[in-house]
Amino acid sequence: SQQGEEDPQALSIQEGENATMNCSYKTSINNLQWYRQNSGRGLVHLILIRSNEREKHSGRLRVTLDTSKKSSSLLITASRAADTASYFCATSGAGSYQLTFGKGTKLSVIP
Amino acid sequence: DVKVTQSSRYLVKRTGEKVFLECVQDMDHENMFWYRQDPGLGLRLIYFSYDVKMKEKGDIPEGYSVSREKKERFSLILESASTNQTSMYLCASSSPGQGQTRDYGYTFGSGTRLTVV
Repeated sequence: SQQGEEDPQALSIQEGENATMNCSYKTSINNLQWYRQNSGRGLVHLILIRSNEREKHSGRLRVTLDTSKKSSSLLITASRAADTASYFCATSGAGSYQLTFGKGTKLSVIP
Repeated sequence: DVKVTQSSRYLVKRTGEKVFLECVQDMDHENMFWYRQDPGLGLRLIYFSYDVKMKEKGDIPEGYSVSREKKERFSLILESASTNQTSMYLCASSSPGQGQTRDYGYTFGSGTRLTVV
């Protein structure tokens, strides 16, 4: 099954800085989604971008999608300590009900 | 507040026991999923269901079965628990999305951390 791969595996930044995480995938997708997971908890859906979209915003989040390169990036602007979490990209193939998740980027925001 | 509820946050079971993990959602979602999450391996799909009494195998169904008798409840069953099934188990639900685009996000439960000793 196709799988997203996040890069970097871990990222440490100071509060107020921007955080950028990347995701690459292997086959054609219907949409790509980003999720956040606080330590030991379930995942929370952040944003969905369709295959025919190039950029999407939600609050301090900005997601881009480049289907020619099979890659996506998640930008968190003006990061806060509360943004400390693991971030996962997930892909949905055409006609598929299920998502395939990457292994995640662990973000630490230092106050 | 809409949610997915997993019956236990932490569970300790003995090798060979039959284990039931319960998941209930209150959003009238058609689709429900069970994943396990292990360090270095990410989330892996065990089983999913897109309708009552329907089930489909995911990527790692061996050693597991599922039951969906009612739309809101999706149970994961470990027929004979083994130590390699020690993991975090995550249940999720979603609606089918509009038309054929399948554009939906998942709502996850808080997870059950299962330890098999």
